[in-house]
Amino acid sequence: KQEVTQIPAALSVPEGENLVLNCSFTDSAIYNLQWFRQDPGKGLTSLLLIQSSQREQTSGRLNASLDKSSGRSTLYIAASQPGDSATYLCAVTSGYSTLTFGKGTMLLVSP
Amino acid sequence: EAGVTQFPSHSVIEKGQTVTLRCDPISGHDNLYWYRRVMGKEIKFLLHFVKESKQDESGMPNNRFLAERTGGTYSTLKVQPAELEDSGVYFCASSQQLVSTDTQYFGPGTRLTVL
Repeated sequence: KQEVTQIPAALSVPEGENLVLNCSFTDSAIYNLQWFRQDPGKGLTSLLLIQSSQREQTSGRLNASLDKSSGRSTLYIAASQPGDSATYLCAVTSGYSTLTFGKGTMLLVSP
Repeated sequence: EAGVTQFPSHSVIEKGQTVTLRCDPISGHDNLYWYRRVMGKEIKFLLHFVKESKQDESGMPNNRFLAERTGGTYSTLKVQPAELEDSGVYFCASSQQLVSTDTQYFGPGTRLTVL
């Protein structure tokens, strides 16, 4: 049974800092890994999708890496801004495209 | 293009009552998923429709939950009778294809509170 763990559970940083969120998964037989963002009262927004054959994906100030063999992914956020404050969720896809989620990291970026 | 919509946004009911949640996927998306997040836990998969057929319902917690997708468009998730442990946020998602590059688009969720 696939399990996804995210560390830390919560993170508070001052604006401008670079930060790393961690995700680990127990079964390396995945199709892809996604990082989502969730704002309070809103749905999930997909930030980056890394296919199992890829090592990393970049979008603006975000960079996600995937080490499938060790069951790890990191989400790097450069030059953090208050607008980055949200809960970040890591999820892996296996089977019929069903997602297995971690509990998330709650990020607060203070001005 | 409209995103995934869910109705209602909030529902408060008493134990033993029935509640029906609705999800309208993005137009043209054959795949529709239901997920649930209970307090303090991670978001968990409930079931997956391809058009009107249930592809995978392995995540449905018990037979008090009934999901339908008549005509392959919108979907409903009925909880009857509701129990206290059913409280949580129910998310719906849709995707166009069943390929590893296709992302799922999530709705805002329905927050269900069972008293």
